[in-house]
Amino acid sequence: GAGVSQSPSNKVTEKGKDVELRCDPISGHTALYWYRQRLGQGLEFLIYFQGNSAPDKSGLPSDRFSAERTGESVSTLTIQRTQQEDSAVYLCASRPGLQETQYFGPGTRLLVL
Amino acid sequence: SQQGEEDPQALSIQEGENATMNCSYKTSINNLQWYRQNSGRGLVHLILIRSNEREKHSGRLRVTLDTSKKSSSLLITASRAADTASYFCGTQGAQKLVFGQGTRLTINP
Repeated sequence: GAGVSQSPSNKVTEKGKDVELRCDPISGHTALYWYRQRLGQGLEFLIYFQGNSAPDKSGLPSDRFSAERTGESVSTLTIQRTQQEDSAVYLCASRPGLQETQYFGPGTRLLVL
Repeated sequence: SQQGEEDPQALSIQEGENATMNCSYKTSINNLQWYRQNSGRGLVHLILIRSNEREKHSGRLRVTLDTSKKSSSLLITASRAADTASYFCGTQGAQKLVFGQGTRLTINP
């Protein structure tokens, strides 16, 4: 595809369940980012992958959050034992290695009941 | 904590008027980027200004950067109803973009 894609578009889950969110970056983009955006708020950085380097996990809010990326392809963000405060839009972005501009996906809207 | 802070939080103007949004930040940066977001979905890149630049133009957009004051402004001239959106500044350090809370811009027809 031409852009960053994310799935699912919307996810409703019950408190305490685990969820997996998927991001397909633009082909050839070596860098991939995850952000969280609560309603009416700005973007909170969660995690950053760059090629085969160790990811920057400094934005993950708790050990319930983890993310993986295989090479320069798909990434999954996993939230274990979801809480109501995890409700937000989770945005993924990718960029080519030598550019600073980030290309965002449409996001996954997560609602924890 | 957020690096960039946009001001105002909300702005409502008439179509055809100019809209100015400001962004302040705290630490040194490599570049500053402005993004637009419609309906709480993905962000779209508008313009990037590097730390050694003072002003940049792209169509109806004009961005200024004052590194001594750690601030930037985004000017949208001759606004249109389609410009209604949230606008975010992102400050780039080594690798990460750090975003502010955004300015919600409403253009009234």
